[in-house]
Amino acid sequence: NAGVTQTPKFQVLKTGQSMTLQCAQDMNHNSMYWYRQDPGMGLRLIYYSASEGTTDKGEVPNGYNVSRLNKREFSLRLESAAPSQTSVYFCASTMTGGSETQYFGPGTRLLVL
Amino acid sequence: EDQVTQSPEALRLQEGESSSLNCSYTVSGLRGLFWYRQDPGKGPEFLFTLYSAGEEKEKERLKATLTKKESFLHITAPKPEDSATYLCAVHRAGANNLFFGTGTRLTVIP
Repeated sequence: NAGVTQTPKFQVLKTGQSMTLQCAQDMNHNSMYWYRQDPGMGLRLIYYSASEGTTDKGEVPNGYNVSRLNKREFSLRLESAAPSQTSVYFCASTMTGGSETQYFGPGTRLLVL
Repeated sequence: EDQVTQSPEALRLQEGESSSLNCSYTVSGLRGLFWYRQDPGKGPEFLFTLYSAGEEKEKERLKATLTKKESFLHITAPKPEDSATYLCAVHRAGANNLFFGTGTRLTVIP
Protein backbone atom coordinates (compact mmCIF):
# COMPACT_ATOMS: atom_id res chain seq x y z
CA ASN A 1 0.00 0.00 0.00
CA ALA A 2 1.99 2.98 -1.29
CA GLY A 3 -0.52 5.69 -0.30
CA VAL A 4 -0.09 8.80 -2.45
CA THR A 5 2.71 8.80 -5.02
CA GLN A 6 3.95 11.70 -7.13
CA THR A 7 6.22 11.93 -10.15
CA PRO A 8 8.65 13.42 -10.86
CA LYS A 9 10.36 14.22 -7.56
CA PHE A 10 12.30 17.12 -9.01
CA GLN A 11 12.11 19.05 -12.28
CA VAL A 12 13.85 22.04 -13.82
CA LEU A 13 12.03 23.93 -16.58
CA LYS A 14 12.77 26.95 -18.69
CA THR A 15 10.22 29.74 -18.86
CA GLY A 16 7.53 28.85 -21.39
CA GLN A 17 8.03 25.10 -21.25
CA SER A 18 5.17 22.81 -20.31
CA MET A 19 5.00 19.80 -18.05
CA THR A 20 2.57 17.52 -16.26
CA LEU A 21 2.87 16.49 -12.63
CA GLN A 22 1.44 13.07 -11.92
CA CYS A 23 -0.31 11.88 -8.77
CA ALA A 24 -1.80 8.51 -7.93
CA GLN A 25 -3.38 7.06 -4.78
CA ASP A 26 -4.16 3.46 -3.92
CA MET A 27 -6.47 4.08 -0.94
CA ASN A 28 -9.71 4.09 -2.96
CA HIS A 29 -10.22 7.75 -2.05
CA ASN A 30 -12.79 9.84 -3.88
CA SER A 31 -11.34 13.33 -3.38
CA MET A 32 -7.94 14.51 -4.57
CA TYR A 33 -6.13 17.84 -4.25
CA TRP A 34 -3.18 19.78 -5.59
CA TYR A 35 -1.39 22.25 -3.31
CA ARG A 36 1.68 24.40 -3.68
CA GLN A 37 3.97 25.27 -0.80
CA ASP A 38 6.08 28.41 -0.81
CA PRO A 39 8.27 29.79 1.98
CA GLY A 40 6.26 31.87 4.44
CA MET A 41 2.96 31.21 2.66
CA GLY A 42 1.80 27.81 3.85
CA LEU A 43 0.10 25.27 1.65
CA ARG A 44 -2.31 26.81 -0.87
CA LEU A 45 -4.90 24.89 -2.83
CA ILE A 46 -4.56 25.00 -6.62
CA TYR A 47 -7.31 22.63 -7.76
CA TYR A 48 -9.28 19.78 -6.30
CA SER A 49 -11.46 16.94 -7.50
CA ALA A 50 -14.29 15.98 -5.18
CA SER A 51 -14.97 12.82 -7.15
CA GLU A 52 -14.08 11.13 -10.41
CA GLY A 53 -15.17 13.30 -13.32
CA THR A 54 -15.28 16.60 -11.41
CA THR A 55 -12.68 19.30 -10.84
CA ASP A 56 -12.87 22.73 -9.20
CA LYS A 57 -10.60 25.71 -8.77
CA GLY A 58 -8.94 26.43 -5.47
CA GLU A 59 -7.22 29.52 -4.15
CA VAL A 60 -4.46 29.87 -6.79
CA PRO A 61 -5.55 28.18 -10.07
CA ASN A 62 -4.12 30.63 -12.62
CA GLY A 63 -1.55 29.06 -14.94
CA TYR A 64 -2.59 25.50 -14.15
CA ASN A 65 -4.94 22.86 -15.51
CA VAL A 66 -5.90 19.52 -14.04
CA SER A 67 -7.26 16.19 -15.20
CA ARG A 68 -8.91 13.54 -13.06
CA LEU A 69 -7.94 10.64 -15.25
CA ASN A 70 -9.74 8.02 -13.17
CA LYS A 71 -10.43 7.42 -9.51
CA ARG A 72 -6.74 6.81 -8.75
CA GLU A 73 -5.01 9.51 -10.78
CA PHE A 74 -5.08 13.31 -10.72
CA SER A 75 -2.61 15.25 -12.86
CA LEU A 76 -1.56 18.90 -12.79
CA ARG A 77 -0.40 20.59 -15.98
CA LEU A 78 1.60 23.75 -16.46
CA GLU A 79 1.04 24.86 -20.05
CA SER A 80 3.62 27.67 -20.11
CA ALA A 81 5.78 27.68 -17.01
CA ALA A 82 6.73 30.96 -15.33
CA PRO A 83 9.35 31.64 -12.62
CA SER A 84 6.48 32.42 -10.23
CA GLN A 85 5.52 28.77 -10.45
CA THR A 86 8.77 27.70 -8.82
CA SER A 87 7.48 25.86 -5.78
CA VAL A 88 6.96 22.52 -4.12
CA TYR A 89 3.79 20.80 -5.28
CA PHE A 90 1.91 18.34 -3.12
CA CYS A 91 -0.91 16.04 -4.05
CA ALA A 92 -3.32 14.84 -1.36
CA SER A 93 -6.34 12.60 -1.14
CA THR A 94 -9.18 11.83 1.21
CA MET A 95 -12.16 9.53 1.19
CA THR A 96 -14.94 12.07 0.71
CA GLY A 97 -13.43 15.47 1.49
CA GLY A 98 -14.45 17.86 4.21
CA SER A 99 -13.31 17.02 7.70
CA GLU A 100 -11.68 13.76 6.82
CA THR A 101 -7.93 13.42 7.01
CA GLN A 102 -6.03 14.37 3.91
CA TYR A 103 -3.06 12.16 3.09
CA PHE A 104 -0.18 13.78 1.26
CA GLY A 105 2.34 12.59 -1.29
CA PRO A 106 6.08 13.26 -1.03
CA GLY A 107 5.98 16.32 -3.28
CA THR A 108 7.45 17.52 -6.57
CA ARG A 109 10.07 20.25 -6.42
CA LEU A 110 9.82 22.47 -9.48
CA LEU A 111 12.33 25.11 -10.49
CA VAL A 112 11.43 27.40 -13.39
CA LEU A 113 14.34 29.38 -14.80
CA GLU B 1 -11.95 35.67 5.76
CA ASP B 2 -10.44 32.47 7.10
CA GLN B 3 -7.22 32.98 8.96
CA VAL B 4 -4.83 30.57 10.64
CA THR B 5 -1.84 31.96 12.54
CA GLN B 6 0.83 29.77 14.04
CA SER B 7 3.33 30.89 16.64
CA PRO B 8 6.16 30.97 17.16
CA GLU B 9 7.59 30.71 13.65
CA ALA B 10 10.58 28.83 15.01
CA LEU B 11 11.35 27.22 18.35
CA ARG B 12 14.57 25.74 19.67
CA LEU B 13 14.36 23.44 22.68
CA GLN B 14 16.83 21.43 24.65
CA GLU B 15 16.10 17.73 24.75
CA GLY B 16 13.62 17.17 27.58
CA GLU B 17 12.46 20.80 27.68
CA SER B 18 8.67 20.78 27.32
CA SER B 19 6.84 23.53 25.44
CA SER B 20 3.74 24.36 23.41
CA LEU B 21 3.03 25.46 19.87
CA ASN B 22 0.05 27.70 19.20
CA CYS B 23 -2.45 27.79 16.34
CA SER B 24 -5.02 30.58 16.50
CA TYR B 25 -7.81 30.60 13.97
CA THR B 26 -10.61 32.75 12.65
CA VAL B 27 -13.06 30.71 10.63
CA SER B 28 -16.80 30.66 10.36
CA GLY B 29 -18.20 27.28 11.20
CA LEU B 30 -15.18 25.21 12.21
CA ARG B 31 -15.67 21.58 11.24
CA GLY B 32 -12.23 20.31 12.14
CA LEU B 33 -8.72 21.38 13.11
CA PHE B 34 -5.80 19.31 11.90
CA TRP B 35 -2.19 19.01 13.01
CA TYR B 36 0.45 17.71 10.63
CA ARG B 37 4.18 17.10 10.95
CA GLN B 38 6.44 17.86 8.00
CA ASP B 39 10.06 16.74 7.78
CA PRO B 40 12.42 18.54 5.37
CA GLY B 41 11.90 17.42 1.79
CA LYS B 42 8.82 15.36 2.61
CA GLY B 43 5.07 15.70 2.53
CA PRO B 44 2.96 16.55 5.58
CA GLU B 45 2.22 13.59 7.85
CA PHE B 46 -1.08 13.52 9.72
CA LEU B 47 -0.99 13.74 13.52
CA PHE B 48 -4.40 14.72 14.94
CA THR B 49 -7.87 15.97 14.13
CA LEU B 50 -9.88 17.92 16.72
CA TYR B 51 -13.55 18.64 16.13
CA SER B 52 -14.90 20.56 19.11
CA ALA B 53 -13.75 22.88 21.88
CA GLY B 54 -12.48 20.97 24.89
CA GLU B 55 -11.32 18.01 22.87
CA GLU B 56 -7.83 16.62 23.51
CA LYS B 57 -5.80 13.96 21.73
CA GLU B 58 -2.43 12.41 22.57
CA LYS B 59 0.22 10.50 20.71
CA GLU B 60 3.50 9.63 22.39
CA ARG B 61 5.05 12.96 23.52
CA LEU B 62 2.46 15.09 21.71
CA LYS B 63 -0.86 16.34 23.03
CA ALA B 64 -3.24 18.54 21.04
CA THR B 65 -5.98 20.65 22.60
CA LEU B 66 -8.70 22.86 21.14
CA THR B 67 -10.61 25.93 22.32
CA LYS B 68 -13.04 28.12 20.39
CA LYS B 69 -10.21 30.38 19.22
CA GLU B 70 -7.01 28.35 19.24
CA SER B 71 -5.31 25.01 19.45
CA PHE B 72 -2.15 24.04 21.25
CA LEU B 73 0.29 21.28 20.46
CA HIS B 74 2.06 20.42 23.70
CA ILE B 75 5.37 18.60 23.44
CA THR B 76 6.48 16.83 26.60
CA ALA B 77 10.15 15.96 27.09
CA PRO B 78 10.97 16.30 23.38
CA LYS B 79 13.67 14.29 21.68
CA PRO B 80 15.82 15.30 18.67
CA GLU B 81 13.64 13.14 16.42
CA ASP B 82 10.71 15.47 17.18
CA SER B 83 12.49 18.16 15.16
CA ALA B 84 10.24 19.07 12.23
CA THR B 85 7.82 21.72 11.03
CA TYR B 86 4.38 21.40 12.59
CA LEU B 87 1.46 22.58 10.48
CA CYS B 88 -2.03 23.49 11.60
CA ALA B 89 -5.00 23.47 9.23
CA VAL B 90 -8.73 24.13 9.54
CA HIS B 91 -11.76 22.91 7.69
CA ARG B 92 -14.80 25.15 7.73
CA ALA B 93 -18.41 24.48 6.88
CA GLY B 94 -19.13 24.54 3.17
CA ALA B 95 -15.51 24.14 2.09
CA ASN B 96 -13.97 21.17 0.35
CA ASN B 97 -10.39 21.83 1.34
CA LEU B 98 -8.20 22.60 4.33
CA PHE B 99 -6.77 26.06 5.04
CA PHE B 100 -3.22 25.90 6.36
CA GLY B 101 -1.10 28.04 8.63
CA THR B 102 2.55 28.69 7.82
CA GLY B 103 3.89 26.30 10.43
CA THR B 104 6.24 26.26 13.41
CA ARG B 105 9.73 24.95 12.79
CA LEU B 106 10.82 23.01 15.88
CA THR B 107 14.45 22.12 16.57
CA VAL B 108 15.29 19.89 19.54
CA ILE B 109 18.94 20.03 20.54
CA PRO B 110 20.54 16.95 22.16
